[in-house]
Amino acid sequence: EADIYQTPRYLVIGTGKKITLECSQTMGHDKMYWYQQDPGMELHLIHYSYGVNSTEKGDLSSESTVSRIRTEHFPLTLESARPSHTSQYLCASSDWAGADTEAFFGQGTRLTVV
Amino acid sequence: SQQGEEDPQALSIQEGENATMNCSYKTSINNLQWYRQNSGRGLVHLILIRSNEREKHSGRLRVTLDTSKKSSSLLITASRAADTASYFCATYSGGGADGLTFGKGTHLIIQP
Repeated sequence: EADIYQTPRYLVIGTGKKITLECSQTMGHDKMYWYQQDPGMELHLIHYSYGVNSTEKGDLSSESTVSRIRTEHFPLTLESARPSHTSQYLCASSDWAGADTEAFFGQGTRLTVV
Repeated sequence: SQQGEEDPQALSIQEGENATMNCSYKTSINNLQWYRQNSGRGLVHLILIRSNEREKHSGRLRVTLDTSKKSSSLLITASRAADTASYFCATYSGGGADGLTFGKGTHLIIQP
């Protein structure tokens, strides 16, 4: 079982609220990722990081922001939640050992904005 | 942009039968990976095949890769009810956004 944790698992929140989705891993991985997944659909990369103080945007444009102050922690923040942000958010990490490495995923946060 | 595309989108078979899922992709890759996702949960890595490999086995899983056709297949032999899940192929190209690119997945249902 992967040592990567996301909290909360489920979040229902009103429009306009600021939210932070937490992601932590205990594997010492340098690379971390955030994916967005709608039900029954593919995952889209929205953010990734190579290590501390590194943040990059992914393929899918997102209004969310991320930070990487510590190796193990990669939180995602939405300053003002909207119903269009309703989705599942999956955090993942991988070892910085080149391309041939698997990604380890957290259990996901299912966000509903009402 | 979408890279992997799984086929079929959904598959229902009897327990004990073999399940085959296919994945096609568009650009050159460093490796292709298969993941399983149980309903509403995170993804679990199943197997990775490098671009210079043609076939790989892991337990009841067999993966093939044909880079000339830009396609891969995942075979699950002797299926079990616990294999019911969505299966995704993911490719790593090493260019652009530096992460795995996933397809839409195949939803596999194993009937007891």
